[in-house]
Amino acid sequence: GAGVSQSPRYKVAKRGQDVALRCDPISGHVSLFWYQQALGQGPEFLTYFQNEAQLDKSGLPSDRFFAERPEGSVSTLKIQRTQQEDSAVYLCASSLRLVGDTQYFGPGTRLTVL
Amino acid sequence: QKEVEQDPGPLSVPEGAIVSLNCTYSNSAFQYFMWYRQYSRKGPELLMYTYSSGNKEDGRFTAQVDKSSKYISLFIRDSQPSDSATYLCAMSANAGGTSYGKLTFGQGTILTVHP
Repeated sequence: GAGVSQSPRYKVAKRGQDVALRCDPISGHVSLFWYQQALGQGPEFLTYFQNEAQLDKSGLPSDRFFAERPEGSVSTLKIQRTQQEDSAVYLCASSLRLVGDTQYFGPGTRLTVL
Repeated sequence: QKEVEQDPGPLSVPEGAIVSLNCTYSNSAFQYFMWYRQYSRKGPELLMYTYSSGNKEDGRFTAQVDKSSKYISLFIRDSQPSDSATYLCAMSANAGGTSYGKLTFGQGTILTVHP
């Protein structure tokens, strides 16, 4: 596929469960971003990878959130002990290089925590 | 106060109308300005991209950036029902520092174009 893909598209979790969200960026893209989009809001930055290096995790809301990209391609966002306030759409975006390059977004994973 | 402010609307216009969408921002470091369109249950897709101040036109879409006023606009001419979506402005800072090109978004404006 030519675009960014994410799985699962929808996830329902009971409060306290751990979840893992996957992102497959466009092949060859160096940069990978995770954003969180609450209902009725614009996306907000969570974390950034350049290849396998996590260079910025300043947007992660708590230490329950963890992201990795071990081989510089696929990335996983993990949320431990989910809370209701974690309910949101989690968007992944990739770009060819760094600043100024177009970011291409995936369809997102809609997480609902009951 | 948020770094980027955008009127959430909703905005409802008849087909063929000219639509004006706007954002203001407070961070002088922003150099790259974008407009994304997001359909329901889809990811944002890039519509327009502008570096620094100026105008850019692409078909029915025109993007304007006024850095002196920290104000950006998107105009849609001859609007169509298929333009109905949420429009998000987004910005990123210049190279250097630790911005890494991360985008700061506005809240999004919901637009409906009715036949």
